Amino acid sequence: GAVVSQHPSWVICKSGTSVKIECRSLDFQATTMFWYRQFPKQSLMLMATSNEGSKATYEQGVEKDKFLINHASLTLSTLTVTSAHPEDSSFYICSASTPGRVYEQYFGPGTRLTVT
Amino acid sequence: GESVGLHLPTLSVQEGDNSIINCAYSNSASDYFIWYKQESGKGPQFIIDIRSNMDKRQGQRVTVLLNKTVKHLSLQIAATQPGDSAVYFCAATPPGGSYIPTFGRGTSLIVHP
Repeated sequence: GAVVSQHPSWVICKSGTSVKIECRSLDFQATTMFWYRQFPKQSLMLMATSNEGSKATYEQGVEKDKFLINHASLTLSTLTVTSAHPEDSSFYICSASTPGRVYEQYFGPGTRLTVT
Repeated sequence: GESVGLHLPTLSVQEGDNSIINCAYSNSASDYFIWYKQESGKGPQFIIDIRSNMDKRQGQRVTVLLNKTVKHLSLQIAATQPGDSAVYFCAATPPGGSYIPTFGRGTSLIVHP
């Protein structure tokens, strides 16, 4: 149980375009979802926390107008990278926690974004 | 704020040996700690956790030790197998209910057959 999926698993886009990444909790309802960014050989950097039905809370230094997060349902959160640039190329990982057990995060498999 | 670091970026061991991965944290108020395993190109996978009211917790082939005095925790893997090769992250969570962990830099464990 507690499976989180991401789609797509990898994407290549041209500079200036927007890319949407989906994060789904497959067998549980996730009241809270988290979005992380990971550069090669580095740790996970929390970008934002989203609660279903409310606006995401962004970490300091993360541009909310560039990284649009929507958590419209208890099983789906999306991250849209707008006007992507090569420096946005990274591994994006989402995680979700179950109601009442917010301290347990279940991670998705990640999405590799390459901006050319 | 919280910062979490690891003592070694890479740890190489022989198959069958025991592995010890160390982690230091800075916020003495952190009360929940997790170890994650991340294989190449995949998301982190929960291994084991421990709360600050404990100093040791055991799972299957893994043991986490917590020393709150020196703000240090370790992950011990018994009889390391090639499938254990991955990057291991520790994460520390502050009190207050948000449970948003801070991840350390990660240690790459390489198991040689």
